[in-house]
Amino acid sequence: GAVVSQHPSRVICKSGTSVKIECRSLDFQATTMFWYRQFPKKSLMLMATSNEGSKATYEQGVEKDKFLINHASLTLSTLTVTSAHPEDSSFYICSARVVSGQESSQPQHFGDGTRLSIL
Amino acid sequence: RKEVEQDPGPFNVPEGATVAFNCTYSNSASQSFFWYRQDCRKEPKLLMSVYSSGNEDGRFTAQLNRASQYISLLIRDSKLSDSATYLCAVSYNKLVFGAGTILRVKS
Repeated sequence: GAVVSQHPSRVICKSGTSVKIECRSLDFQATTMFWYRQFPKKSLMLMATSNEGSKATYEQGVEKDKFLINHASLTLSTLTVTSAHPEDSSFYICSARVVSGQESSQPQHFGDGTRLSIL
Repeated sequence: RKEVEQDPGPFNVPEGATVAFNCTYSNSASQSFFWYRQDCRKEPKLLMSVYSSGNEDGRFTAQLNRASQYISLLIRDSKLSDSATYLCAVSYNKLVFGAGTILRVKS
């Protein structure tokens, strides 16, 4: 099945640090990847849709200058949390979808997630 | 009203029990439906897609009711290993998740 790898799995750093998270599709090409954030006991919230070769599409209320997304190749998208603060502490998860037929009918496959803790 | 709503539970059931979860969605234009399983502090894993005709995978049965805008998941013969949070997800132009239903299966 489709495999999505996310790195790192855990980050603990000081306030003001910028943190970069990588999301790779290992055995398929993904023109579109998705970045979610999940707070404890809450649902996954879509932050942005990462499009290969073009700008990401951000959801309402998500600061694009705060959460920089780069999708430079068909297998790699990165999310950089710039000048992170304690309120940015969360579980960040990427996903990708195998492009085949009607895109919305294809399930998304998730990376392992990155647990970010800002002190 | 939330786009996708689930009863948060928890559902505490004994091993061998049958348990059912429902999930309602607000967007009638939704096209695709999924159930994911999420273990504590882990990423969601696809359990099954949900088709209009209903579909079954072993002990798991999923159904879709477009008229009433809900999907359901039935788990038969519950195992201890079924304990997890079950997320429904609905897709139109993006995938929207419910907050999840917690299932605890006890011996």
